[in-house]
Amino acid sequence: EPEVTQTPSHQVTQMGQEVILRCVPISNHLYFYWYRQILGQKVEFLVSFYNNEISEKSEIFDDQFSVERPDGSNFTLKIRSTKLEDSAMYFCASSPTGSGANVLTFGAGSRLTVL
Amino acid sequence: DQQVKQNSPSLSVQEGRISILNCDYTNSMFDYFLWYKKYPAEGPTFLISISSIKDKNEDGRFTVFLNKSAKHLSLHIVPSQPGDSAVYFCAAKEGRAGNNRKLIWGLGTSLAVNP
Repeated sequence: EPEVTQTPSHQVTQMGQEVILRCVPISNHLYFYWYRQILGQKVEFLVSFYNNEISEKSEIFDDQFSVERPDGSNFTLKIRSTKLEDSAMYFCASSPTGSGANVLTFGAGSRLTVL
Repeated sequence: DQQVKQNSPSLSVQEGRISILNCDYTNSMFDYFLWYKKYPAEGPTFLISISSIKDKNEDGRFTVFLNKSAKHLSLHIVPSQPGDSAVYFCAAKEGRAGNNRKLIWGLGTSLAVNP
């Protein structure tokens, strides 16, 4: 069964450092997303991406965050200068167009720990 | 911002019995609801969904009921199996024009099915 893959599974970084989280969405999906879950809190929407541009972003997704689709398969989330409160599980997701567009398929997540 | 609420953080049922997980919402603009299941160290996995124009959707052992007037939905699992033990998330999407796929999530209910 097709799946969304994320790397790394766990990253530890110092505050102020740049981090790039990588995702390979399902190959025929055209919508891509990043969500995050801080320990003990809700899953939160960060950003959605379609047709090579951001289609929606949340208040969390400030200037420190950026997304990119550098090639035909990868979808990345960059945090320029990490803060302690960026420590969370980051989930990438993708969805197709058409009747299945509302159903997101998630990756296993990348745990980010900022020290 | 508690647009989607799952008021029971945990639920324990006997194998073979029915599990009922509840979800309440406040936003009348939600037009699509999803249930996701999550095992530890994995991403959320789609389980079942329902459009706001329906009041019931069934898929095997899983049935979702939607009561729009009460802004309430529930997930029924019958019969429950030990492998169903996981955290169950209720998520909802607003019906807006454009490429909106942003999901608003509840906090989750941890289900334990005891043999």
